[in-house]
This record gives sequence, C-alpha cells and structure tokens, in this order.
Amino acid sequence: QKEVEQDPGPLSVPEGAIVSLNCTYSNSAFQYFMWYRQYSRKGPELLMYTYSSGNKEDGRFTAQVDKSSKYISLFIRDSQPSDSATYLCAMSPAEGNTPLVFGKGTRLSVIA
Amino acid sequence: GAVVSQHPSWVICKSGTSVKIECRSLDFQATTMFWYRQFPKQSLMLMATSNEGSKATYEQGVEKDKFLINHASLTLSTLTVTSAHPEDSSFYICSARGDSEQYFGPGTRLTVT
Repeated sequence: QKEVEQDPGPLSVPEGAIVSLNCTYSNSAFQYFMWYRQYSRKGPELLMYTYSSGNKEDGRFTAQVDKSSKYISLFIRDSQPSDSATYLCAMSPAEGNTPLVFGKGTRLSVIA
Repeated sequence: GAVVSQHPSWVICKSGTSVKIECRSLDFQATTMFWYRQFPKQSLMLMATSNEGSKATYEQGVEKDKFLINHASLTLSTLTVTSAHPEDSSFYICSARGDSEQYFGPGTRLTVT
C-alpha cells in the first residue's frame, strides 16, 4: 500500500460545479497537510495548508482533514475554467527538514 | 506566500555536457531545500534533500555523482547534472521549506540532445 493514495482522474466538471478532491494515507504520524495546484509545465503552487484535523477555508477553497479516517479533502466551490490543473495533496509528520510525501495528483478540467 | 525562483527556466544541452540549475529563496532563509524531478503526467519524485553547509541526502536510486547538489547559503542551492544523457531530460523543480509550508520554484525544463 502506498503511503498516500490519490485518484489521478481525469476529472471533468462543468463551470460552477463543486469539486471534491481527496487523498487517503496510511501513516498515522502525518500531522501537516497541504494541497498544491500545478498548471502544465509550471511548479506546484501552495493552495492550502492545514495542521492536524479540522477544516480551513480560503475563498472558494476548503480543506478538510480527518485524521481518524486518514482522509483529507479539498473542495472547490463555483469552479472556474482557470481552476483546470493538477491538484496534488502532500503531507509530512513534522515541520522543518522532513520531505513531503505527495499523492500522484488529480487532473481536473472545468468546462465552460 | 514565499517566493522561490529557479534559473534557468529551460535549457537545451548536448549529451556529455553539464548543466547547473539554481534555486533561490527570495524572501526567507531556507536551511533545507529539496530537489524533485517530474516526468510528463506524473507526480513529483524527490531526488535529494539539500542542507545548508552539509552534504545533501539522496534518495535511493539517485546517483549522487551525477546529480551534484551544493547548498552554499541559506538562500541558494544548486543542482548540477553532470555528463547529461537524453534520459536525464525532465522537469526539475526545487522547493524550500519555511516555518511549516513548503514552496516550490517554477521549475526548469531540461532537454538533452
């Protein structure tokens, strides 16, 4: 079993839809959870950062962490064509020098 | 958010030559930087962890003599691909970790002909 599982998609939705992206993980030591957005041929851009369990909202984006289920989600409301990208979840057990463990990424297309 | 830059953004080189890629954290100090490579439609693969003032830590399967990493200061790490081969053609991305979050550079596309 991989440490982080993420459905690669592709996921195609109409403009305005609510998008739900998620990852599961196996390492209960993970404490820090991040979501990155990556456009084609660009470096990943940090979207959301969450420590431990709970929800975090930033504009149209909401990140949820359920440590008891080892499950994290990213919701995108009122999706726009500009949201079309690959979304990567990432996590680590500690701050500082510990490398992040990434999911494979989910390719999202928002159709106008 | 914090800014990480990379230079060059793309480079084409001939087989057998060496290529240096720079990664800079522009508005924060990073004692640790990470180097990744990414093949088309695949996720990021960690190559090595670069620590300021000490030797880099390489992931299993990554040749340290081929991918030379130097972390000379708290804001600069370099990756040198030595004796490049066409199979080294890839997208190389660096990242730097601030207090908690990890920020990525824009990436360098290397094509070896």
